[in-house]
Amino acid sequence: GQNIDQPTEMTATEGAIVQINCTYQTSGFNGLFWYQQHAGEAPTFLSYNVLDGLEEKGRFSSFLSRSKGYSYLLLKELQMKDSASYLCAVKDSNYQLIWGAGTKLIIKP
Amino acid sequence: DADVTQTPRNRITKTGKRIMLECSQTKGHDRMYWYRQDPGLGLRLIYYSFDVKDINKGEISDGYSVSRQAQAKFSLSLESAIPNQTALYFCATSEKEAGPYEQYFGPGTRLTVT
Repeated sequence: GQNIDQPTEMTATEGAIVQINCTYQTSGFNGLFWYQQHAGEAPTFLSYNVLDGLEEKGRFSSFLSRSKGYSYLLLKELQMKDSASYLCAVKDSNYQLIWGAGTKLIIKP
Repeated sequence: DADVTQTPRNRITKTGKRIMLECSQTKGHDRMYWYRQDPGLGLRLIYYSFDVKDINKGEISDGYSVSRQAQAKFSLSLESAIPNQTALYFCATSEKEAGPYEQYFGPGTRLTVT
């Protein structure tokens, strides 16, 4: 079966750095996406990785290792507004998105 | 104005009732999707459509049906609602399947079946 694993919940301090991990086992791979979802709202796109390595976009970076079936999202200079769930999703061989359950990130002052 | 809209935003209905959730988009995308989200679970695909004449079942289509009335409109129906269909439902669109084309989500419909 296809599976995406992420930690259920993480806590971090305002101004700090946090790394959210995602491991996946899917039938084929056509890219990995990270989305942010505030409580009760729609997911919004953060990043896309299809090749190994790090993609940086402002305070957010995303890393991919296809051989290890592993990705992480790195959030720097955390702000209170970063309190949200972070969803990892992989496009499989049929270009369908397989979603992880999400990691709820709690930011403390 | 929002690019992807959903109506209603909240709905409470009784077991056995037929209900329809509607989705409209102004992004001009051919691809549209319906997902449900339950606490502790990832988004699960119910149905997807690549154009008006192309509709496909997703992972959990049983108990649901869809209609693609136009490129911009994609409706989800629950023919006879049951309590375990209580969930948050999202409509999404995308430009293409392959490549770095993200999905754009509507605001969601919170459905409660009593």
